Amino acid sequence: NAGVMQNPRHLVRRRGQEARLRCSPMKGHSHVYWYRQLPEEGLKFMVYLQKENIIDESGMPKERFSAEFPKEGPSILRIQQVVRGDSAAYFCASFRDRADTDTQYFGPGTRLTVL
Amino acid sequence: QKEVEQNSGPLSVPEGAIASLNCTYSDRVSQSFFWYRQYSGKSPELIMSIYSNGDKEDGRFTAQLNKASQYVSLLIRDSQPSDSATYLCAVMGAAGNKLTFGGGTRVLVKP
Repeated sequence: NAGVMQNPRHLVRRRGQEARLRCSPMKGHSHVYWYRQLPEEGLKFMVYLQKENIIDESGMPKERFSAEFPKEGPSILRIQQVVRGDSAAYFCASFRDRADTDTQYFGPGTRLTVL
Repeated sequence: QKEVEQNSGPLSVPEGAIASLNCTYSDRVSQSFFWYRQYSGKSPELIMSIYSNGDKEDGRFTAQLNKASQYVSLLIRDSQPSDSATYLCAVMGAAGNKLTFGGGTRVLVKP
């Protein structure tokens, strides 16, 4: 069984560019969380997605950030017009259904560096 | 007040000793509690979950939960150098929509 996959693993962008981070959940998992981890800090919840639905986006910044989880393909976290403060590790975690939220499997993360 | 609080450490422990990590949370209706281990540059790895008051043991790890005091702890017995990592406490609210993480406690096990 393939685990949660994220790509790219490392992403470098210049200020003002766009960043697209992808998350492919484990097979059979239709729920995805995205988290952000700033250096030397814990993980901060960003968004909870089910296929074709945003369940909870209370942790998403109001501007420049968006997320989707289409019926086919990976979940995408998109950051427009990146700034240096967006530099962080972005993790996604997947699970099968609402009853299994305690069995979240984390991907390896994407480390975004904004120059 | 942070929703989930942990001492950032580092907690320095001699090899073979017990490491004791603490976590407090503010949301009284929280239902589920987790401890994750994170090595530097890696993703979090679930090591323990606990849902009811009392102790839960798994190998060298024991999680303790006290909902009245809004307190959850993790004990690592017979600490090994390979246990050196950051330990993240996470709490799932009643809505079951998201995990709220503490800032993590860095543990250093010295041979």
